[in-house]
Amino acid sequence: QVQLVESGGGVVQPGGSLRLSCAASGFTFGSYGMHWVRQAPGKGLEWVAFTRYDGSNKDYADSVKGRFTISRDNSKSTLYLQMTYLRTEDTALYYCAKDQVVGASTAFDIWGQGTMVTVSS
Amino acid sequence: DIQMTQSPSTLSASVGDRVTITCRASQSISTWLAWYQQKPGKAPNLLIYKASSLESGVPSRFSGSGSGTEFTLTISSLQPDDFATYYCQQYNTYWTFGQGTKVEIK
Repeated sequence: QVQLVESGGGVVQPGGSLRLSCAASGFTFGSYGMHWVRQAPGKGLEWVAFTRYDGSNKDYADSVKGRFTISRDNSKSTLYLQMTYLRTEDTALYYCAKDQVVGASTAFDIWGQGTMVTVSS
Repeated sequence: DIQMTQSPSTLSASVGDRVTITCRASQSISTWLAWYQQKPGKAPNLLIYKASSLESGVPSRFSGSGSGTEFTLTISSLQPDDFATYYCQQYNTYWTFGQGTKVEIK
């Protein structure tokens, strides 16, 4: 079945780095745009980053621009989020999510279960 | 940036009630709006896309309407499984979520 599985979360000190992964299965990963969305404990959803199906275009929320890098390896059906210069306010559950439609700005129809990132000294 | 504002933030209702949640965009987004349901400890689940299109597998008691800057999600007859938090999302320009509406048991 269509599935996204995140990994790589953990506890990191402020200023540290972490790389998240999202393994996709059950669909043609290389055809769809992919996103990272986060949710701080007890808070709402915040879009973080997007990569076009081929990785040629990437967008970031202002809150992470210059610190986070989204990438993908279509040969491995895997999405990544490299997070650097982490701040306490980056503490959240990080979800990867799939575009609903090929080649257009769309809603997100498939979500992973999330991986928790805690930034604390 | 496009801001999305949901109201109310919390809604108390009973099983069988008709429930309406409103979402307002800070500028026109045409019909590029989605609604998600999220239950505690779970990922969001897509209910409605393009303002009024029902995602496959979603019960028909859920419906969406609106265009431009004002949108509504309606649950025609609230069921026990519907107590959850609901988020709107615009995807006209980048992607922005509303702050959420928690539907709780009255």
